[in-house]
Amino acid sequence: GAVVSQHPSWVICKSGTSVKIECRSLDFQATTMFWYRQFPKQSLMLMATSNEGSKATYEQGVEKDKFLINHASLTLSTLTVTSAHPEDSSFYICSAMIGAYNEQFFGPGTRLTVL
Amino acid sequence: DAKTTQPPSMDCAEGRAANLPCNHSTISGNEYVYWYRQIHSQGPQYIIHGLKNNETNEMASLIITEDRKSSTLILPHATLRDTAVYYCIVVAGGTSYGKLTFGQGTILTVHP
Repeated sequence: GAVVSQHPSWVICKSGTSVKIECRSLDFQATTMFWYRQFPKQSLMLMATSNEGSKATYEQGVEKDKFLINHASLTLSTLTVTSAHPEDSSFYICSAMIGAYNEQFFGPGTRLTVL
Repeated sequence: DAKTTQPPSMDCAEGRAANLPCNHSTISGNEYVYWYRQIHSQGPQYIIHGLKNNETNEMASLIITEDRKSSTLILPHATLRDTAVYYCIVVAGGTSYGKLTFGQGTILTVHP
């Protein structure tokens, strides 16, 4: 099946710093990628839809100025958490859509801990 | 998108079939039923999807009732590695295309 990678797999940062997470589709091109967030013992929550060459679409309640998304190529989308705070600590997961039937392949996730 | 209802947890003996139910009584005609699973601390994994016909692939079978108001995911010979949270998701096309709304899912525990 299609492979999606994320980098880094985990990151620890100080409060107030910015963190960039990369999501890559390794063996296919993806015009659409998605970013999710998952807090402990909770389900995944969609944050935004990332479309190659255009602005991301954010879900209600997600601050677009805090969570910057860039989808500069058909194989790479990046999520930058700006001025991170402890409440931003979470598991961030990306997915890439392939095919005509909404099949999505997910990355392994990035564990962000903000001290 | 239609909401889904799944039991919070289920147990299954290794080697036996695991049958995971999902209710989606408000599903509309253009909505597909998708199943994903998430093993602890990993990204979700696509399993199978269907519209109205039963589907089978190398991982599982999907049985959708004739009125499409419920479905069952069948893992024919569960192994310990199938222990995960299983999500049943109903997705439409159109403006919601691609968006997956994850509920709480069913925690499946496969025991020896």
